Amino acid sequence: DAMVIQNPRYQVTQFGKPVTLSCSQTLNHNVMYWYQQKSSQAPKLLFHYYDKDFNNEADTPDNFQSRRPNTSFCFLDIRSPGLGDAAMYLCATSGKRGTGELFFGEGSRLTVL
Amino acid sequence: LAKTTQPVSMDSYEGQEVNITCSHNNIATNDYITWYQQFPSQGPRFIIQGYKTKVTNEVASLFIPADRKSSTLSLPRVSLSDTAVYYCLVGDRISGNTGKLIFGQGTTLQVKP
Repeated sequence: DAMVIQNPRYQVTQFGKPVTLSCSQTLNHNVMYWYQQKSSQAPKLLFHYYDKDFNNEADTPDNFQSRRPNTSFCFLDIRSPGLGDAAMYLCATSGKRGTGELFFGEGSRLTVL
Repeated sequence: LAKTTQPVSMDSYEGQEVNITCSHNNIATNDYITWYQQFPSQGPRFIIQGYKTKVTNEVASLFIPADRKSSTLSLPRVSLSDTAVYYCLVGDRISGNTGKLIFGQGTTLQVKP
């Protein structure tokens, strides 16, 4: 059974049209991560939550925002997607902060036209 | 944060043992070493984690020398389905730390018939 579920799996948007990607988890984990992965590159950490404590990476563009209304759900909002934002967006959870034991969803692939 | 360095790519044949080494010269005392496998269009999947010496599970072994400045993932008797990208991560299990988990470039393993 899937424990980290991302929706939608595929999202097509137009340049500048806001997009929201969602992530839900049934693991009751404290920590949730959002990574961006472009073709043939490693996942790049955008931000993470430890409970409601939000941690933004210094090089994450302001165009990217996140919300975590409760333990189970986390959202990634891209306010004005550009062509360079086309990527796979990966959500991951962890029961302990920084342990390296991450549980990933299948990802949401974003296409920007 | 400890930075990791891995070979970009490796080739192997079915039935062979594959060893992938990761360098992490700046590893901290509290850091654990975790390896992930990623297939195209999927999220990374946890393989194995260790702190020192040797760890073995049903799919792989992890060898960590005494100085912990490197680690080697060993895959016994690989098959075509082991063709994937393999990442090593270094992270801190002590709660209260930043919780950042940064992926290195990964190693693309190609298994040939």
